[in-house]
Amino acid sequence: GENVEQHPSTLSVQEGDSAVIKCTYSDSASNYFPWYKQELGKRPQLIIDIRSNVGEKKDQRIAVTLNKTAKHFSLHITETQPEDSAVYFCAASSTALIFGKGTTLSVSS
Amino acid sequence: GAVVSQHPSWVICKSGTSVKIECRSLDFQATTMFWYRQFPKQSLMLMATSNEGSKATYEQGVEKDKFLINHASLTLSTLTVTSAHPEDSSFYICSARSVGSTYNEQFFGPGTRLTVL
Repeated sequence: GENVEQHPSTLSVQEGDSAVIKCTYSDSASNYFPWYKQELGKRPQLIIDIRSNVGEKKDQRIAVTLNKTAKHFSLHITETQPEDSAVYFCAASSTALIFGKGTTLSVSS
Repeated sequence: GAVVSQHPSWVICKSGTSVKIECRSLDFQATTMFWYRQFPKQSLMLMATSNEGSKATYEQGVEKDKFLINHASLTLSTLTVTSAHPEDSSFYICSARSVGSTYNEQFFGPGTRLTVL
């Protein structure tokens, strides 16, 4: 089955800096790669996703890249703000979503 | 659009009792629903995949006789935790995939916080 590795587990940046979170997956059949932001006690909130037929997608300060050959995808957040502080999860899917272990992002002002 | 509800949002029960959690897709039909469990400070772990009108597929290590899943219609799946014990206390989240979706986009319910005393 699918296995998703996510790094780093924690990430601390200064406000205005960029943050990068990386994930690898194992199942070449996976075709959908979403990123979620989760606040304590709440459902995961989709922030951006990318499909296997696209190499890069951007939405304002957030971008995701996908390298199907290497089976890895990354989340890039530019101009970070304190409200970006949260736990971020990557996931990969061919059927069910399989999640990475999460990254706790802390943005200090 | 694409709203998924869960009920109850939280439940406290005594050890040995059973608890039923409902997951509904409110504005779309879902052939497939998924059940996840999340322990504190951990990731979402897939428990089972539920297909309308057929038996659920459970992930390795998840007891199918303890976590009963029923997906009787295209808008409703239920998870029953039987003979609950304190170690079953967790955050249970369902998700649903729309009929005809090309990619595996899923929509999450708000989750159910289960506490077993």
